[in-house]
Amino acid sequence: EAGVAQSPRYKIIEKRQSVAFWCNPISGHATLYWYQQILGQGPKLLIQFQNNGVVDDSQLPKDRFSAERLKGVDSTLKIQPAKLEDSAVYLCASSSYRDPYEQYFGPGTRLTVT
Amino acid sequence: QKEVEQDPGPLSVPEGAIVSLNCTYSNSAFQYFMWYRQYSRKGPELLMYTYSSGNKEDGRFTAQVDKSSKYISLFIRDSQPSDSATYLCAMRRETSGSRLTFGEGTQLTVNP
Repeated sequence: EAGVAQSPRYKIIEKRQSVAFWCNPISGHATLYWYQQILGQGPKLLIQFQNNGVVDDSQLPKDRFSAERLKGVDSTLKIQPAKLEDSAVYLCASSSYRDPYEQYFGPGTRLTVT
Repeated sequence: QKEVEQDPGPLSVPEGAIVSLNCTYSNSAFQYFMWYRQYSRKGPELLMYTYSSGNKEDGRFTAQVDKSSKYISLFIRDSQPSDSATYLCAMRRETSGSRLTFGEGTQLTVNP
């Protein structure tokens, strides 16, 4: 079974630029999550999708962050404009109906904002 | 005050040692408790999860939950160099779809 795929793996941008990250979850997983992990901290949930609907986006900075999951499969997270404090690893995870308590994480995208 | 507190370490032990990793939490609504392992430049992977209070054992790993004290632990017996990683505790409420709240992680190094 293929794992959660993310791209790019690394991205360096200047502040005020925009950036997008892509995630393809494990086949058949209905729930998809985007997390932000700042160096030395645990992951923080940004947004959770159930199929293509948003379940929880309470911690998403909506003035600059947006996410979509068209057709309930892969997803894109966008930051526009980026700030220095957005430097972090952005992790995507997915889980199935059968075992909703186990989230499978991708390798993450490491973003550096200069 | 953070909902979940975890000793960040780092923790360095010799091979074969027993390792104890701990988290405390403040939200009494948390019912599911997880431990994730994260190798450098990788995503976290689930080691164990426990519902409510009690112990759970899986090979060299034992998870303990004490809800009365709001305290959870992960014990690693006969630690191996391959156990060197960051260990993250995480927890969630019982409500379907509720989010995971992670601790900051403890970096563990097991020296051969």
